[in-house]
Amino acid sequence: NAGVTQTPKFQVLKTGQSMTLQCAQDMNHEYMSWYRQDPGMGLRLIHYSVGAGITDQGEVPNGYNVSRSTTEDFPLRLLSAAPSQTSVYFCASSYSGRGQETQYFGPGTRLLVL
Amino acid sequence: DAKTTQPNSMESNEEEPVHLPCNHSTISGTDYIHWYRQLPSQGPEYVIHGLTSNVNNRMASLAIAEDRKSSTLILHRATLRDAAVYYCILPNAGNMLTFGGGTRLMVKP
Repeated sequence: NAGVTQTPKFQVLKTGQSMTLQCAQDMNHEYMSWYRQDPGMGLRLIHYSVGAGITDQGEVPNGYNVSRSTTEDFPLRLLSAAPSQTSVYFCASSYSGRGQETQYFGPGTRLLVL
Repeated sequence: DAKTTQPNSMESNEEEPVHLPCNHSTISGTDYIHWYRQLPSQGPEYVIHGLTSNVNNRMASLAIAEDRKSSTLILHRATLRDAAVYYCILPNAGNMLTFGGGTRLMVKP
């Protein structure tokens, strides 16, 4: 299993540009989520999905869109990038939403918005 | 949401045991206690979790207080590769994680 994969590893955008961060998992996990991590801080939840076709907002959803058309993929879209969205983005997945489930994290995408 | 409190940083000598404390005084009866760690420039990785009883795995041990208001992650022999930020987390509804500041563990050779 490749686990959770994210592309690209690093991206530079200009203010106002749009882009999609890709996330895929091959563990047949129902739950997937996106977090962002600013320098020196813990991760914050952006959006999450409890299954194909179902998404919900997390703590910091503004400026981001998600959709979940398949179990494997959970892309994160930046509609109009802003410097405040400069961060490291992590995708995670878990088999279910039960409290004893382990979350598996991807390696992250480092985004710089100029 | 239940919250946790951890020291900002701790130091350890290589090959010595490390005890990382966590307070979670508002924990509910059904909250699991999870520990994750984040190595430099990597995503978080799962370490261990428990509910009421102490737990052991190949990475660490988790000691849970009888009243469940605190727990301790135990690394039995710290190595340089264990230098990381360790997060004690009580998952929210849907197993979503709220990360605090964690404890930065520094390991000295």
